[in-house]
Amino acid sequence: GQQVMQIPQYQHVQEGEDFTTYCNSSTTLSNIQWYKQRPGGHPVFLIQLVKSGEVKKQKRLTFQFGEAKKNSSLHITATQTTDVGTYFCAGRGGTSYGKLTFGQGTILTVHP
Amino acid sequence: GAGVSQSPSNKVTEKGKDVELRCDPISGHTALYWYRQSLGQGLEFLIYFQGNSAPDKSGLPSDRFSAERTGGSVSTLTIQRTQQEDSAVYLCASSLQWDQETQYFGPGTRLLVL
Repeated sequence: GQQVMQIPQYQHVQEGEDFTTYCNSSTTLSNIQWYKQRPGGHPVFLIQLVKSGEVKKQKRLTFQFGEAKKNSSLHITATQTTDVGTYFCAGRGGTSYGKLTFGQGTILTVHP
Repeated sequence: GAGVSQSPSNKVTEKGKDVELRCDPISGHTALYWYRQSLGQGLEFLIYFQGNSAPDKSGLPSDRFSAERTGGSVSTLTIQRTQQEDSAVYLCASSLQWDQETQYFGPGTRLLVL
């Protein structure tokens, strides 16, 4: 079945440093979504990417969808302590309509 | 408007007992999803509903797990004869339609099986 791998599992940064998490799918995706989960909270939707090679920005966050629609990345510029949490990618495959397969998540810690 | 709500927020039960978890999706959302999240782990898909039917039950871990949805709204996830490994946070999400749509998550039910 479809698998979504996400790396790294953990990332510790100093405030002001950049951060990137990568997501790779075993199959071609119809779209990919990114979620953020604060400690003790529930996942909150950040963005959806649909088109091959798509790049979207939200302030300091940049999201990319690979040309082959099998990988994606989230890059945060100049991290802040408010960025702490777990970032999940979630892919929807061609034969699994409705089902999102989540990556394991990257836990980001930002040291002030 | 109101978001996805789940009840109870916390549930402690003894091994072997049955539990029912409830999810109230956002009004008008036709798709509803159940996930399980163990401590420090990612989200494990359990089941999803489009209306009252469940096209994909592939994620249910065993036949002790079942779910239903009535009236295209409220859903219940039932775990029979609970085991300690069932301890986790059970998250419900809903979306306007089943395809190409953002999922909005509820706060979850934290289940502890003693």
